[in-house]
Amino acid sequence: ILNVEQSPQSLHVQEGDSTNFTCSFPSSNFYALHWYRWETAKSPEALFVMTLNGDEKKKGRISATLNTKEGYSYLYIKGSQPEDSATYLCASMDSNYQLIWGAGTKLIIKP
Amino acid sequence: NAGVTQTPKFQVLKTGQSMTLQCAQDMNHNSMYWYRQDPGMGLRLIYYSASEGTTDKGEVPNGYNVSRLNKREFSLRLESAAPSQTSVYFCASTQRVNTEAFFGQGTRLTVV
Repeated sequence: ILNVEQSPQSLHVQEGDSTNFTCSFPSSNFYALHWYRWETAKSPEALFVMTLNGDEKKKGRISATLNTKEGYSYLYIKGSQPEDSATYLCASMDSNYQLIWGAGTKLIIKP
Repeated sequence: NAGVTQTPKFQVLKTGQSMTLQCAQDMNHNSMYWYRQDPGMGLRLIYYSASEGTTDKGEVPNGYNVSRLNKREFSLRLESAAPSQTSVYFCASTQRVNTEAFFGQGTRLTVV
């Protein structure tokens, strides 16, 4: 079983500020790294799926990078807005094609 | 677009009762999953089905059974519910192994 860790566990950010958080995963047998956004009382929704070392993906004000050699991914949010408040989950997929999930980073945007 | 439909949304069971959580997807996805989510922990895989007719145990399968009835439907059964099974359960599906997962709305189960 892989061990996927996310930090910080929670984060308070002032509206308008930019922020980032980390997902760490074992680099051996790596296949893919997923990021999801999970709003309270809703289902997780996919943001990015990345597979190659050095991958960078962007969706609006949110972007992510991937380093498979050292086993980490960063999620960046530029100019945080109240609607960005959510829990951000990452999951690593190994060569057995099973997703192992981190516990999430809970982001709270203060107006 | 229905996506992944999961029922029921809420359920309260007494210890020892049985129930089945239903999940159906209309995206023609091959793989389907059942997860449980507990406070402070990541989603933990209970069972998954890589394709119609196959099922495999995940990280926490004890106390659960599953059925992949057809390509659309994947059900999770608790034969004799225990308080330790109080959790939020999510069904998910993926088209291929390296593509995004789509989730149902979740079932909040309380076992008293």
